[in-house]
Amino acid sequence: KAGVTQTPRYLIKTRGQQVTLSCSPISGHRSVSWYQQTPGQGLQFLFEYFSETQRNKGNFPGRFSGRQFSNSRSEMNVSTLELGDSALYLCASSDRQPNTGELFFGEGSRLTVL
Amino acid sequence: AQTVTQSQPEMSVQEAETVTLSCTYDTSESDYYLFWYKQPPSRQMILVIRQEAYKQQNATENRFSVNFQKAAKSFSLKISDSQLGDAAMYFCAYRSSNSGYALNFGKGTSLLVTP
Repeated sequence: KAGVTQTPRYLIKTRGQQVTLSCSPISGHRSVSWYQQTPGQGLQFLFEYFSETQRNKGNFPGRFSGRQFSNSRSEMNVSTLELGDSALYLCASSDRQPNTGELFFGEGSRLTVL
Repeated sequence: AQTVTQSQPEMSVQEAETVTLSCTYDTSESDYYLFWYKQPPSRQMILVIRQEAYKQQNATENRFSVNFQKAAKSFSLKISDSQLGDAAMYFCAYRSSNSGYALNFGKGTSLLVTP
């Protein structure tokens, strides 16, 4: 069974640009969550999608947005990039079964903003 | 908001020895889940062990076990018979039973395993 796939793995952008990151969950998983990982702030929850609906959102500005498609693949978008958006963005999928909550993570997309 | 604290930024252990990583959390909820995740240098995080708050018995997964003290809001991870492949960042995480699948992570503990 293929794991969580994130693309691109690395990218460099400049301030003011926008970026779209993609995540393909494990087959059969309908929940996709996104996390931002930085040395200073650690791992912070961005949002979770389940069956194409945003179910939960972290404390990030509106420049951060996401969506989920009918095949459960998800994208997140960051507009008007700032230097502080440089981070590893991790996607995680889950079958969202009660009382388990195991997340399967991808390898991440490393974003550098210059 | 629930906070998760890992007070040990770095830990070191010799192969075959035992090490304990600490984690405390702050919550007013009675029903929640706790996790330890491992992030090797390749960056892909994997679940090490989970604990449901309503279970008094400490979870165990092979060489990994937890000491869950609900009243003290403490959730430490014990790694027995440490192996070189255990070297990684270890993150403690909290999930409310009401927050969907949002995890609150601690800042992590970097574990070094020496031969």
